[in-house]
Amino acid sequence: DAGVIQSPRHEVTEMGQEVTLRCKPISGHNSLFWYRQTMMRGLELLIYFNNNVPIDDSGMPEDRFSAKMPNASFSTLKIQPSEPRDSAVYFCASSLMGETEAFFGQGTRLTVV
Amino acid sequence: GENVEQHPSTLSVQEGDSAVIKCTYSDSASNYFPWYKQELGKGPQLIIDIRSNVGEKKDQRIAVTLNKTAKHFSLHITETQPEDSAVYFCAAMGTGSYIPTFGRGTSLIVHP
Repeated sequence: DAGVIQSPRHEVTEMGQEVTLRCKPISGHNSLFWYRQTMMRGLELLIYFNNNVPIDDSGMPEDRFSAKMPNASFSTLKIQPSEPRDSAVYFCASSLMGETEAFFGQGTRLTVV
Repeated sequence: GENVEQHPSTLSVQEGDSAVIKCTYSDSASNYFPWYKQELGKGPQLIIDIRSNVGEKKDQRIAVTLNKTAKHFSLHITETQPEDSAVYFCAAMGTGSYIPTFGRGTSLIVHP
């Protein structure tokens, strides 16, 4: 398996624009996590899906952020409108429910100017 | 909810020295403690873990210790090598919860 695949690897956008980050989890995994990594706050959990259903979205910073998982092999994290303070590395991770190891993608580095 | 504190934030050692990273957690129900290594430009990757029924676990040059009474756990790397340079994250997870709570990370620099 190729592991968790995220796209794009880098994204530079202007303030106010919509940004969509994409994730393909490992085949067969049924838990999916979106994390945001910044120097100030470290790794923050944004949202957690189980069997495509959002279980915990308490980490989503505000209504500008939304996440979907339309099927077991695809998830998106959308920011609309984007702001400079959203600049960070966004990671997607997946795991097999009941197992403890989370497998991370390589991340998307988002820069909002 | 769980809160994980990690120290130090930066650790600089000479090649061959040992490195120790310490974490504390707040939720006494946590029973699984993984450690992740993040190399530059990559996502975190699990390197070792320990469960609450074990006090110590070793894997070659790395070892983890757990003190459940004090609610702290540590990562020990012996005979450090330049390729050990990375950011290391500790995490804690409770029974029935498969969401790890991460520490802030430690940037380890091994000087040749």
